Amino acid sequence: KNEVEQSPQNLTAQEGEFITINCSYSVGISALHWLQQHPGGGIVSLFMLSSGKKKHGRLIATINIQEKHSSLHITASHPRDSAVYICAAYLQTGANNLFFGTGTRLTVIP
Amino acid sequence: GAGVSQSPSNKVTEKGKDVELRCDPISGHTALYWYRQSLGQGLEFLIYFQGNSAPDKSGLPSDRFSAERTGGSVSTLTIQRTQQEDSAVYLCASSLVAGEETQYFGPGTRLLVL
Repeated sequence: KNEVEQSPQNLTAQEGEFITINCSYSVGISALHWLQQHPGGGIVSLFMLSSGKKKHGRLIATINIQEKHSSLHITASHPRDSAVYICAAYLQTGANNLFFGTGTRLTVIP
Repeated sequence: GAGVSQSPSNKVTEKGKDVELRCDPISGHTALYWYRQSLGQGLEFLIYFQGNSAPDKSGLPSDRFSAERTGGSVSTLTIQRTQQEDSAVYLCASSLVAGEETQYFGPGTRLLVL
């Protein structure tokens, strides 16, 4: 069983829709990354958070440590948001590397 | 440059040959990570460095894989006697220090073993 799981695996939305991608984890974590991977492979870190909420433009990330759950929201989605979104966690085991979710492939249709 | 760079960007090799993949982290970043993304699979951790030492090599898939980092900067991931299952995108990331720090990813090296 993967320590970090995401849902949905695939998501298709119409331009302008509000998007939510979920990430849940089964073990304690110390911090969580949301990453964006565009076609062609480049990975960009969107957020790193360990509590509460962070906002950057149309992107919002929230985390609930007690519920072991994080969400990434995209408001007013646009075709350029089409990408794979990956959550990745630093586990509380003392390991300093990231454990990755399987990713959510988002396609936003004009 | 300002970001993490990797070379080569693409590598095609024959089964059984050795390959070397290079990563140049962001200047001043003491931690460097290697990850692998196989076709249709998620990202998996291989190894990380804090400075020149590698506290965690647990992700290396076999003893054909090795990595080193010199001068606290450039790192090389070496795969000996490549196999077809080694085909993947190899990603490097760096952060200020190891642990709960934002990691910045390089563009990756796409390795194809024929």
